[in-house]
Amino acid sequence: GQQVMQIPQYQHVQEGEDFTTYCNSSTTLSNIQWYKQRPGGHPVFLIQLVKSGEVKKQKRLTFQFGEAKKNSSLHITATQTTDVGTYFCAGLEPMNRDDKIIFGKGTRLHILP
Amino acid sequence: NAGVTQTPKFQVLKTGQSMTLQCAQDMNHNSMYWYRQDPGMGLRLIYYSASEGTTDKGEVPNGYNVSRLNKREFSLRLESAAPSQTSVYFCASSGLYRETDNEQFFGPGTRLTVL
Repeated sequence: GQQVMQIPQYQHVQEGEDFTTYCNSSTTLSNIQWYKQRPGGHPVFLIQLVKSGEVKKQKRLTFQFGEAKKNSSLHITATQTTDVGTYFCAGLEPMNRDDKIIFGKGTRLHILP
Repeated sequence: NAGVTQTPKFQVLKTGQSMTLQCAQDMNHNSMYWYRQDPGMGLRLIYYSASEGTTDKGEVPNGYNVSRLNKREFSLRLESAAPSQTSVYFCASSGLYRETDNEQFFGPGTRLTVL
């Protein structure tokens, strides 16, 4: 079955440094979504990428979808303490007959002041 | 709009007890989901319902049952709780359109401890 692998599992960065998390699927995806979960909170949708090679930006966050639609990345420039949390990617397979997406295990970001 | 609501927020059970986790959404979404989240394991899908009247197993369905009561409500039942079911449970709902508008909206979660 479909698997979505996310690396790294944990990342500690100094405030102001950049951060990147990577997501790799065993199969081609229709789309990929990214979510953020603050400590003690629930996952919140950030963005969805649909097109091959797509790049989207939200302020300091840059999201990319690979040309083969099997991998994706989230890059945060100049991290701030508000970026702390776990970032999940989630992918949808083209032949999936319903809306069941597969989540990666997440990357937990910790910011050192 | 309240979005996705879950009750209760916290629950402590003894082994063998039963309980039902309630979830409701007011966004007219077709699909609803139940996940459990354990440290280091990410979100694992327990059951989902692609539309009113249908339910399907996810990755970790054993020990759970679900009911899609109507379009708004999707409940998760533990018939005989076990310590391995200690977890945070999230309900989510999505979408009007499969590929372009199917972001998932999550409830605040239920923190369940089974002693």
